[in-house]
Amino acid sequence: NAGVTQTPKFQVLKTGQSMTLQCAQDMNHEYMSWYRQDPGMGLRLIHYSVGAGITDQGEVPNGYNVSRSTTEDFPLRLLSAAPSQTSVYFCASSFGQGKSGTEAFFGQGTRLTVV
Amino acid sequence: GQQVMQIPQYQHVQEGEDFTTYCNSSTTLSNIQWYKQRPGGHPVFLIQLVKSGEVKKQKRLTFQFGEAKKNSSLHITATQTTDVGTYFCAPSKGGGTSYGKLTFGQGTILTVHP
Repeated sequence: NAGVTQTPKFQVLKTGQSMTLQCAQDMNHEYMSWYRQDPGMGLRLIHYSVGAGITDQGEVPNGYNVSRSTTEDFPLRLLSAAPSQTSVYFCASSFGQGKSGTEAFFGQGTRLTVV
Repeated sequence: GQQVMQIPQYQHVQEGEDFTTYCNSSTTLSNIQWYKQRPGGHPVFLIQLVKSGEVKKQKRLTFQFGEAKKNSSLHITATQTTDVGTYFCAPSKGGGTSYGKLTFGQGTILTVHP
């Protein structure tokens, strides 16, 4: 099992460019999430999904889009990159959260720099 | 914003000293998870607490969930250099608008001096 795979590991974008961060999991997890991590800010939830076809906003959704067409994949799209989106991005998946939480597995992260 | 206050934000200890991080919520939690992130790494699940007053141990790590299910702590006895990293709590309120959401405290960064 590969677990949670994120690509790319590193990316430099120019302001205004668009890109998609890929996330795939092979554990048949229902729940997938995207986080950004900035110094002193912890892990902030961007978007999450409780199953294929269902997504919802987290704490910091502005500037990001997601879709969940399959159970395995949960891409994060930056439509027009801004320097404020410079961060480390993590994707995570689990069998469940909320009342019946279960262990979340994280990808290795994508370090994004917007210049 | 964050559901909980995690303190302290930073902790520097000498190897062999004990370390504790606290997670405090203003509302009752359904459960709480703890994660560790090594420098340059990704968060890794440590444990989940569900029951009021629950105490769980993993070698030198002791996790507690308060009687009112509003606070939790992680205590490390006799720290080692391998304990270096950031420790996050991840509280859950349960169903309703929290369904499917996993949010994190701000984390406590632990450094251990040999």
